[in-house]
Amino acid sequence: EVQLVESGGGLVKPGGSLRLSCAASELTFSNVWMNWVRQAPGKGPEWVGRLKSKIGGGTADYAAPVKGRFTISRDDSKNTLYLQMNSLITEDTAVYYCTTDYYDNSAWVNYWGQGTLVTVSS
Amino acid sequence: EIVLTQSPGTLSLSPGERATLSCRASQSVSSSYLAWYQQKPGQAPRLLIYAASGRATGIPDRFSGSGSGTDFTLTITRLEPEDFAVYYCQQYGSSPTFGQGTKVEIK
Repeated sequence: EVQLVESGGGLVKPGGSLRLSCAASELTFSNVWMNWVRQAPGKGPEWVGRLKSKIGGGTADYAAPVKGRFTISRDDSKNTLYLQMNSLITEDTAVYYCTTDYYDNSAWVNYWGQGTLVTVSS
Repeated sequence: EIVLTQSPGTLSLSPGERATLSCRASQSVSSSYLAWYQQKPGQAPRLLIYAASGRATGIPDRFSGSGSGTDFTLTITRLEPEDFAVYYCQQYGSSPTFGQGTKVEIK
């Protein structure tokens, strides 16, 4: 069974930085596109950004609220996805999930981690 | 950015009843890129429907999706106790967005 495990969340002051990690297992990690999705307390999910596989071009796309402040990267040798968050603001407070989806035996599958909480507060 | 508007905000129904949830997009969405998720408290969202009408692996056939263009619907034919949750639609094109959710609660 595919597993995604996020880590690195915590309390950070406005203007600060944090790096989240997402360790993947039971997955051909290098072949899949990976996403970060966040969910603020009591709100719906919000897509943060996506990093294509190297074979898919290796480029990243970001949602407007985080563009220029957040950077997604990956280390395929470690099956790990990263989210570098800079210039954090209180509105970035949320549970951050890494997710992936792809076709597996003609069915679309979708996996989420358990999430890691980021709190931006002074 | 494509804005997805879900209605109603809350649906109060009894077990065994039919639930019809709506998702309207601010511009046309390719049906290949419209999904529905279920979320229960303290859990990550779970994929129910992809490509507007494809049922994800392991999802009971009481869940069905339909629609095209800007109007999409999730139908739960007979609500089971475990179906009471929040449901989100998502378009997963070049810049994915989610709807604000519909809460299905026990009447």
